[in-house]
This record gives sequence, structure tokens and C-alpha cells, in this order.
Amino acid sequence: LAKTTQPISMDSYEGQEVNITCSHNNIATNDYITWYQQFPSQGPRFIIQGYKTKVTNEVASLFIPADRKSSTLSLPRVSLSDTAVYYCLVGDSNSGGYQKVTFGTGTKLQVIP
Amino acid sequence: DAGVIQSPRHEVTEMGQEVTLRCKPISGHDYLFWYRQTMMRGLELLIYFNNNVPIDDSGMPEDRFSAKMPNASFSTLKIQPSEPRDSAVYFCASSNFRDPTNEKLFFGSGTQLSVL
Repeated sequence: LAKTTQPISMDSYEGQEVNITCSHNNIATNDYITWYQQFPSQGPRFIIQGYKTKVTNEVASLFIPADRKSSTLSLPRVSLSDTAVYYCLVGDSNSGGYQKVTFGTGTKLQVIP
Repeated sequence: DAGVIQSPRHEVTEMGQEVTLRCKPISGHDYLFWYRQTMMRGLELLIYFNNNVPIDDSGMPEDRFSAKMPNASFSTLKIQPSEPRDSAVYFCASSNFRDPTNEKLFFGSGTQLSVL
């Protein structure tokens, strides 16, 4: 099971770009990298998913280097509403049709006015 | 679709009582998951089902915990007897993993359980 390591917390001012890096040294060939966002009193919500290089959607960008041993979630121009916990997940391709994923401790992002 | 629906939203009970948490997954999803979240242990996967069949219950902490999925639109997580250390937020999630490039989990709003 690919384990992930990410910073426990980060602070950022409104309007700045935030980059959260996740380390996953033992990622398997077939594993995808997925990021979730969790607000207080809510369940986690999917943000973005990627396999390699760069993925961008209306919420964030995901940068994955060639060796895939890490990934960086980039949030452009954060606002107070982006204050949340962000989880990086990597699937376990040995589980067959379903990739069993494990939520780590996540990164608690605090956006400051 | 209304998303994953969990009930109750909050549950307060006394030690020793039976607790039943309920979940309605998103229609068409063939995977259903039960997670527990605490400050100390974070989000833990308790059990998951595929096509209503329990596949992996290795995360279920004790025999006091049981989960069922009698049909594709309903699942329960039962704790009997409940203990104070079971206090946590319990999340249900569903997904459709037939597309390996789109492996999203959709979570419900959770049930906040307090065992006194």
C-alpha cells in the first residue's frame, strides 16, 4: 500500500497561490494520485486526480514529476473559503478492480485575511 | 442526484445501547464504504462492499461492529453494545470504479456519534 507524506499544516494569505506537496515514494505503476478537500463537519470532496505530468481543472492544478514519487497540488489565489484539510491519496493496485486507498493525516490549510 | 445520504446526522446514546447508522449511496454506484474519523486516528476505512457483498472488513475494530448492505440502495453500520470510545464521525461513501481513470469517492455528510 503506497504511503503518503504531506505537511501537517500550512498558512497562507488570501490571494496567494498555495502549493501542497505530497511524497509517495513507493507508488506503483498503475496507481493514480488523487486529492480530496474536507471542510469542517463535512465529508471529503474530490478535487483532482492525475497519473503523470500536469492536470488542471476549474479548482486546482496537479503537478506530477516524471518519477511520480511526489505530487504538488496548486491552488491559485486562495480565499478564506479554501480553509480546509487537503488529503493526498495513492491507490493500491494490488487490490484488483478497486484501488484501496488510505487517507493520511492530510494538510490543514489556514487562509489568513 | 442528491448525493450520498446518511442518517441520522447526529446521534447521542448511552454506553451499552445499540446504534444503527444508515446510508443511501448514489444510484448506480457499485461500491460502498464506511469510514470513521477521529482526531487521534484520522479517517479510517472500516469496511467496503462491492455489488452489495462485503469485500474487506479488516478495518472493523471489533465484533461489536457489523455492517450490512441488503440492496444496492441501502446500507447500515451497527454498533452493539456501544462504548464511549466509539464516539466519532462515521462517513459513508460510494463510487463507481468501472472507469479506472475516474476513481472518485463521493462522501455523505457523516453521522456524529456521541456515546456517553
